[in-house]
Amino acid sequence: GQNIDQPTEMTATEGAIVQINCTYQTSGFNGLFWYQQHAGEAPTFLSYNVLDGLEEKGRFSSFLSRSKGYSYLLLKELQMKDSASYLCAVRDRYDMRFGAGTRLTVKP
Amino acid sequence: DGGITQSPKYLFRKEGQNVTLSCEQNLNHDAMYWYRQDPGQGLRLIYYSQIVNDFQKGDIAEGYSVSREKKESFPLTVTSAQKNPTAFYLCASSIGRAGGDTQYFGPGTRLTVL
Repeated sequence: GQNIDQPTEMTATEGAIVQINCTYQTSGFNGLFWYQQHAGEAPTFLSYNVLDGLEEKGRFSSFLSRSKGYSYLLLKELQMKDSASYLCAVRDRYDMRFGAGTRLTVKP
Repeated sequence: DGGITQSPKYLFRKEGQNVTLSCEQNLNHDAMYWYRQDPGQGLRLIYYSQIVNDFQKGDIAEGYSVSREKKESFPLTVTSAQKNPTAFYLCASSIGRAGGDTQYFGPGTRLTVL
């Protein structure tokens, strides 16, 4: 079957670092995406990994290990506006499979 | 400004009525998608279209219908056959359906059936 798992909720402090994990089992693999979604709004694209390793984009980094079926999103220097849901999505062959999302709350 | 628009943002309908959700994009993308988002669940694919006049069922197409008469437009009709239509509906588009083609989302329509 196809499964994408990520923690339901996380809490972190402003200025800190947080790591959101995602594990997946899909019938094929053509890349892993991370999206940010504020409540009631559209998901916005954060990152794309297709090869193993770390991709860095400013305060956000994303890591992929294809052999382990594992990815994480690392958020540094957390800001209050980073409070949102973070969606992990895997493209199997053509279709995107989404996890349920991790709701991150950043506290002062 | 390029982007994806969905209207309306909120929609209320009585049970048994069909309702059509609008999705328009001016990104010149070939592929368009409709997803449904429910609390505690990942986005689920309803329908997708790779090209004008062609569309395919996703994982939960029952009770929904779509059309793709123009590249820019991919409306979704929620029919009375859909057993539990209250949800947040998201439209997305991408250049194509290749591995790295990122999907970009519209602002969503929250449908409530009374």
